[in-house]
Parts: sequence; C-alpha cells; structure tokens
Amino acid sequence: GEDVEQSLFLSVREGDSSVINCTYTDSSSTYLYWYKQEPGAGLQLLTYIFSNMDMKQDQRLTVLLNKKDKHLSLRIADTQTGDSAIYFCAESGNGANNLFFGTGTRLTVIP
Amino acid sequence: EAGVTQSPTHLIKTRGQQATLRCSPISGHTSVYWYQQALGLGLQFLLWYDEGEERNRGNFPPRFSGRQFPNYSSELNVNALELEDSALYLCASSLVATQYFGPGTRLTVL
Repeated sequence: GEDVEQSLFLSVREGDSSVINCTYTDSSSTYLYWYKQEPGAGLQLLTYIFSNMDMKQDQRLTVLLNKKDKHLSLRIADTQTGDSAIYFCAESGNGANNLFFGTGTRLTVIP
Repeated sequence: EAGVTQSPTHLIKTRGQQATLRCSPISGHTSVYWYQQALGLGLQFLLWYDEGEERNRGNFPPRFSGRQFPNYSSELNVNALELEDSALYLCASSLVATQYFGPGTRLTVL
C-alpha cells in the first residue's frame, strides 16, 4: 500500500528557514499536499503541487518535488513563532480520491 | 465563504453506545471524506461519499458507517463504541481533488 514518511520533529530559530521533508511510494500520485495542524484544530491546506511540476512558490512557502526519488519538501522562509505546528504531507495514491498522510512533522520555532 | 463545519465539537460516550457525527461541506462541494486521527496512529481514511453514494472505504470495521444527504452534508455513525475509537474525527470536502478540512469532532469513549 501507499507509504508516506516524514521525520517527526524539527526545531528552528525565528527568522531562519525551515525545510520539512517527505518521501512517498506511490508513483501514480497526481497531487501532493501540505497541510498544517495547530493544537486541537483541524487541518489547514497550505499548498499543493501537481505531479508534473517540480517547484511551486507561494509567498513564504516553496514546495519542491523530485518525482524520480519520490521526495517532496516544504520550505518556509523567515519562520515565525506562529508557524509552530504539525505539518502533514499527503498524497492521493493509486487512483483513489482519499488521501494518504505522513506521520506529521512537529515544527517548533524558538524565539 | 463558509468552510467545512462539523458538529458536535466534543462528544463523550461510554463503551457500547453509538455516536453520530455530522459534517457540512463547503457550498458547491459534492464529495465528503471522513478521517480518524487517533493518538499514535496518525490520520487514517475512513469513508468517501460523493453524490449520495459511498465511493470508497478504509480499513475499518462495518460498525463505522455513514451516509450523505441530498444537500451533500454527511453523517458518520459509530456503533458499539470501543475505547480505541477515542480520536479526533475529521471531515473534508472537495469539488474535484483538493480536500478542505473541518475543525473536527473529538470523540472520547469512557
């Protein structure tokens, strides 16, 4: 089945860049997503990338996709304390509409 | 534009009881998805409804069921509750592919 992996924790200093990485197994994924979850809340869609793209930039967020290595990353520039949250990578694999999520990366921003 | 809404916010039940969770999708969205976020198990897909029909189901027992109404809102029913059903239940809606999530219903089974 589909497998999406992320590292569990990342700490960065305020103002630095954060890079959150994700690897996935399903090469048929059409879209890959990044969601943010703050404590006790639902998932907020941050950005997504279509599988035929290799980069997408949206303000402070940059998504890089290496389809050959099945590697996705999310870079947050000028990280702020409000960016502290859990970040989930997700892919819709195997032609299904449902999403397969990674374990989530807990980002801690140190003031 | 209103986002996905879910009710109730919190639900406390005892083992063996039934729970009903509700979801209203973003206006115009026809698909509704349910996910379970249990401690230590991550986010797992439960059910997908589109145009009133169940389209796909995750690896959950039949006591997890639901339906989608003509206005595209949806209910998730969990029968014969077990302690391990305690989790945050997230609903998402989509028109084509991208899913937008609601705030979730936290179900606690005592």
